[in-house]
Amino acid sequence: GESVGLHLPTLSVQEGDNSIINCAYSNSASDYFIWYKQESGKGPQFIIDIRSNMDKRQGQRVTVLLNKTVKHLSLQIAATQPGDSAVYFCAERNRDDKIIFGKGTRLHILP
Amino acid sequence: DSGVTQTPKHLITATGQRVTLRCSPRSGDLSVYWYQQSLDQGLQFLIQYYNGEERAKGNILERFSAQQFPDLHSELNLSSLELGDSALYFCASSTRANEQFFGPGTRLTVL
Repeated sequence: GESVGLHLPTLSVQEGDNSIINCAYSNSASDYFIWYKQESGKGPQFIIDIRSNMDKRQGQRVTVLLNKTVKHLSLQIAATQPGDSAVYFCAERNRDDKIIFGKGTRLHILP
Repeated sequence: DSGVTQTPKHLITATGQRVTLRCSPRSGDLSVYWYQQSLDQGLQFLIQYYNGEERAKGNILERFSAQQFPDLHSELNLSSLELGDSALYFCASSTRANEQFFGPGTRLTVL
């Protein structure tokens, strides 16, 4: 079935270091994945997406890696800043145009 | 600001009652999605409308219903409310299926 999950509910990172947030999925037919950022009191915000025909996609300070062999994707945030504090969700879009969200990882930035 | 508006921001009601949540999509977006976010379940897709018609259905209870009006705003109706319905309810809109823009959410508290 479809399920998207994250390995850790909480991640603490020193300001300036790189953050890596991981996500595992179970549906090998999944062909599109999205990372969302949700700040306190706000709705989720699209960060970056990746299709299954790609292994890597880069944005501004963010990189998403997809490993289809082990059904794993990760979000890397370079030079983590206080404004990166949020809950990060990976999500999968299925053929019915539904987005299935994982439970989220809360990123804490340590000064 | 995503351009998606939701009202009310907060709603407190009692068990057994009925409430209506409202969403106005971004200008030009034809698709509206509703999600429920609770602490233990993460973000759950409820239902999608496209240009006034139901397009996809997720984990929406029979006590819940939605519609999209000719001006493209949408309403989510929740009836016979139970304590477990307390959650954040998000609306999102999109033009392309890939990228959804989320509103600020309505926090529903059922006492």
